[in-house]
Formats: sequence, structure tokens, C-alpha cells
Amino acid sequence: ETGVTQSPTHLIKTRGQQVTLRCSSQSGHNTVSWYQQALGQGPQFIFQYYREEENGRGNFPPRFSGLQFPNYSSELNVNALELDDSALYLCASSRNGQGQETQYFGPGTRLLVL
Amino acid sequence: AQSVTQLDSQVPVFEEAPVELRCNYSSSVSVYLFWYVQYPNQGLQLLLKYLSGSTLVKGINGFEAEFNKSQTSFHLRKPSVHISDTAEYFCAVSLNNAGNMLTFGGGTRLMVKP
Repeated sequence: ETGVTQSPTHLIKTRGQQVTLRCSSQSGHNTVSWYQQALGQGPQFIFQYYREEENGRGNFPPRFSGLQFPNYSSELNVNALELDDSALYLCASSRNGQGQETQYFGPGTRLLVL
Repeated sequence: AQSVTQLDSQVPVFEEAPVELRCNYSSSVSVYLFWYVQYPNQGLQLLLKYLSGSTLVKGINGFEAEFNKSQTSFHLRKPSVHISDTAEYFCAVSLNNAGNMLTFGGGTRLMVKP
């Protein structure tokens, strides 16, 4: 059973650019969540996808968007990057609809916006 | 809306001493409670969770936490810490027992000294 993986591990972009981060769910998991963790802070919930549909969203603007694919892997897209978007982006997967399943986190992608 | 407050940003402690990391939450509805640990340059790992039943919850690595509904607290304890426990600890709440769409506190850095 493989864990949650994310790519790339690190990324540097400039203000105004667009970025795509990728997440591969743990085998058998149908739900993916994305979190933003700014330096020295706790993670903040961005959105969640269940069976390819967004089914929950935190307080993030529309320039944060996502996709979930039929194999349950996921992408986080951020348009018009701002300096404050610099953070660790964490992906988490779980198997909802099957009872009290634990959510597993990936190691994250560290994004630096200059 | 829910919120989580971790009262101590840093907790220094000597090896083999006991430790308590404090967490208070606010919510107008019932929530489920979680503690996660984050080692340097890694993602989050679930330590323990309170879903229902006994208010004393035991987790991995010798940690335990006690849910106190009247105090809206969920403090994390360990009777004897090791150097390897040095990490960032996050308290979180969720509206569902799968622990999705988490609201995290700001984190407590536990620093275990020899």
C-alpha cells in the first residue's frame, strides 16, 4: 500500500504566474483535501474533492482551483500568484463512505513566490 | 464557524519529564477532535482522535489526550518525553468523524532538551 505522494517537492515562481501542484492519493482512497500552511502557522483548509466533485471549500479566493481525476489523484491550481501564496501545500487523502477512516497527509510542496 | 487555540507557541522540556500541550476550541455545534504531529520537512501524522465515548484517548508514541466538554479543551499529555518527540504539534477539529475539512490551531513547538 503506497502512501500519499506530492510533486514537486519545491517550487519557485514569480508574482502573477500560475502554478499546478499534484497529489497521488493513497491506494483505495476516494477523497482528497488540500491545505495551505504558511510559515509558522497551522494548516488552513482550501478545498476537498470526493469522487471528482468539489464538496467543501475553505475561505480561499476563486484563483485557487482544483481537479480530481478518475484514479482519484488531484491537482491544485493557483492563478495570479501573490507573495502571500508562499507556503507549504499539503494534500491529504481518505476513503469516505466506509466508516471512520483515517486521513493521511503527504509530505507537501513548498512554494516560494518572489 | 469553528476555531482552535493552542495556548503555547513553544514548550521547552527536559528529556524524561512530563509534558502537557494545551488546546481549546470554540464551536456552536458538536465537533470531533484531533491531534497531529509534524516532524521537520514532513507532512502531518495523526497522533490520536476523540470521536465519542471515553473522554481519555490514547494515541501513538505514548501520547494521550483528555476531552473536557465543559472547558472546551482537548489537552495532549505524555508522562515522559524523548528527544525524538521534538516536533510541531497541531490540535484540530472537524464536523465529521472522518476528520475531513479540518480547522487547525496555530501549533505548539515541543522542544525536548537532553
